Amino acid sequence: DVKVTQSSRYLVKRTGEKVFLECVQDMDHENMFWYRQDPGLGLRLIYFSYDVKMKEKGDIPEGYSVSREKKERFSLILESASTNQTSMYLCASTIAGVSSNTGELFFGEGSRLTVL
Amino acid sequence: AQSVTQLDSQVPVFEEAPVELRCNYSSSVSVYLFWYVQYPNQGLQLLLKYLSGSTLVKGINGFEAEFNKSQTSFHLRKPSVHISDTAEYFCAVSETGGSYIPTFGRGTSLIVHP
Repeated sequence: DVKVTQSSRYLVKRTGEKVFLECVQDMDHENMFWYRQDPGLGLRLIYFSYDVKMKEKGDIPEGYSVSREKKERFSLILESASTNQTSMYLCASTIAGVSSNTGELFFGEGSRLTVL
Repeated sequence: AQSVTQLDSQVPVFEEAPVELRCNYSSSVSVYLFWYVQYPNQGLQLLLKYLSGSTLVKGINGFEAEFNKSQTSFHLRKPSVHISDTAEYFCAVSETGGSYIPTFGRGTSLIVHP
């Protein structure tokens, strides 16, 4: 089974702090994603990566950056956390390739971030 | 570009009653369709998916969904719900031959009452 692990389930940070959310997958997936989930808004794509050191902006990249130095690890960075970034953050991965990719995602357990 | 509409934000139902969660999508090309479930304080897990073939798709936990191309719908059904089905349900669509990045609906909260 695919396993996507998000290192922190719950975090509490102060406004202005730098925040790192880590995600690791063990199935050699090329594509990795960071979503933000808020009540009534569903899942919104922040950034995704289709290869090491490659990244693409999603729908709401402002205030976030990402890092992918190794294939299995995809980090989300909040350079200066703000209260409006209080949310649930979900990491996901999927295989690449035209013949094999369907858009089915494998999700981590989520990281609930509170910014005070 | 594709889009997904989940028509109900919340669906309350009594235990052992049938339920239908509605999902409509919009796309100019062929699509793959998914339903995910999210239990409280957990990530999303796949319930079922439509890739091709039979339009009636069966998933885990007794759920099924029917792909209706003419109505661009992919409604999720269960004939008899259990308390443990209380969760958030997300419909998602991705376009074949495209980027394969799925678009999610806003979610439907299924609340099963005893």
